[in-house]
Amino acid sequence: DSGVTQTPKHLITATGQRVTLRCSPRSGDLSVYWYQQSLDQGLQFLIHYYNGEERAKGNILERFSAQQFPDLHSELNLSSLELGDSALYFCASSAGPPSSYEQYFGPGTRLTVT
Amino acid sequence: SQQGEEDPQALSIQEGENATMNCSYKTSINNLQWYRQNSGRGLVHLILIRSNEREKHSGRLRVTLDTSKKSSSLLITASRAADTASYFCASGGSNYKLTFGKGTLLTVNP
Repeated sequence: DSGVTQTPKHLITATGQRVTLRCSPRSGDLSVYWYQQSLDQGLQFLIHYYNGEERAKGNILERFSAQQFPDLHSELNLSSLELGDSALYFCASSAGPPSSYEQYFGPGTRLTVT
Repeated sequence: SQQGEEDPQALSIQEGENATMNCSYKTSINNLQWYRQNSGRGLVHLILIRSNEREKHSGRLRVTLDTSKKSSSLLITASRAADTASYFCASGGSNYKLTFGKGTLLTVNP
């Protein structure tokens, strides 16, 4: 158990809908990262928050947004869903930046868009 | 697109044999990390080697880093069936991102 929790575990929804994925980092970790993993794209970095502030953006679509709240949990919002958004979405946390610290991954949310 | 590339893409060995996976990256790094992923599960951190280190050990794992060649290797000695998983390298730089390679799928046959 990494100490990172993600809800829900599975999500099935229709095209055009909006969903929210939630992540709670390990106790004491200030950094939260979101990743998307699919068979064709592999593991893609989406976004990094540190103590409530956005620090880095990766291949995150404009239809997607994220935030980190004062209690350090984070949410990833996916809107106008398309079939191609079906993937595993992982949250990870770390004590500091990737230049110095390892990341701890949650179990993931499997999103299926039908 | 991902920065790192693992080689080979897939590796199948017998229990007790050693497994070696290689990783290349493109830009300067502060560290190189290796992660393991069992099918459909979250990634698990294995080892972190800093840019000023050349070799690091952890149990049956040995990692080397050659910054002049922008490459790293992960050696798993005396492999076990439970080592069957995908292994990813990830480069950590000053850009607040961890950039993952495409992974090596290791299968250890009993």
